[in-house]
Amino acid sequence: DAGVIQSPRHEVTEMGQEVTLRCKPISGHNSLFWYRQTMMRGLELLIYFNNNVPIDDSGMPEDRFSAKMPNASFSTLKIQPSEPRDSAVYFCASSWTGGSNQPQHFGDGTRLSIL
Amino acid sequence: DAKTTQPTSMDCAEGRAANLPCNHSTISGNEYVYWYRQIHSQGPQYIIHGLKNNETNEMASLIITEDRKSSTLILPHATLRDTAVYYCIVSSGPDYGQNFVFGPGTRLSVLP
Repeated sequence: DAGVIQSPRHEVTEMGQEVTLRCKPISGHNSLFWYRQTMMRGLELLIYFNNNVPIDDSGMPEDRFSAKMPNASFSTLKIQPSEPRDSAVYFCASSWTGGSNQPQHFGDGTRLSIL
Repeated sequence: DAKTTQPTSMDCAEGRAANLPCNHSTISGNEYVYWYRQIHSQGPQYIIHGLKNNETNEMASLIITEDRKSSTLILPHATLRDTAVYYCIVSSGPDYGQNFVFGPGTRLSVLP
C-alpha cells in the first residue's frame, strides 16, 4: 500500500516567494497532521485536520502560514511570504482516528530552504 | 513539553538486544505509549504502541511496567540499520484533544 506522499521532496527558493507544500494521505485515513522539524525546536505539530476540517491550528507560527484540505486525499501547507527562518523539514502524517488510538504514519518530508 | 524522559544516547552491539527505556511517571489512564524512530533524513517511522499490556510485533517488543510509569522498547537483534533516533510518546490521541508531542528522543548507535 502507498504511504503518505509528499511533494516536492526538496524546495529551494528566495525570501519573499510563496511556497506550497503538498500531501496525499493514506487512503481511508480521516486525520491529517502537518509537522515542522528544525535542529533548534525538534519536531513540532503545526496543524491537525479531522474529516477535512482544521481542528487544532495552535502550532501554526504566524499568519504567513496557511493550510487547507479541500478533500480527503489532498492537503497543502502554504507560506507567503517565505522567510529564511522558515527553513526546515516539513512532514505530513495521517491516521485513522475513531477512538481506537491508531498510530500516525509519516511521509518522507519536504526539505525547505529559504535563501 | 513532552511528557516522557529518555536517555540522550545509547550504544548497542550488532546482533545484541537493544533495550531503550522511557519514563512517563505522569501518564493518565487513557494515554497510550507510542514508539517511533527516525533514520536520518527520513520521516518518523511507527514502531509499536500499547496501553498497559506488553506488545510485540515484527519490529520490536514493548514492555510496560505494571504501574505504567515507565516502559522499555526492545529490538531483539539490533542491526546497523536500526541506528536512529527513537522517540517515546504518551498520548490519548486527537479524539481526546491530545496530539503527539515529540521530545528529543534517544539516539541509538548500533556498532559493528
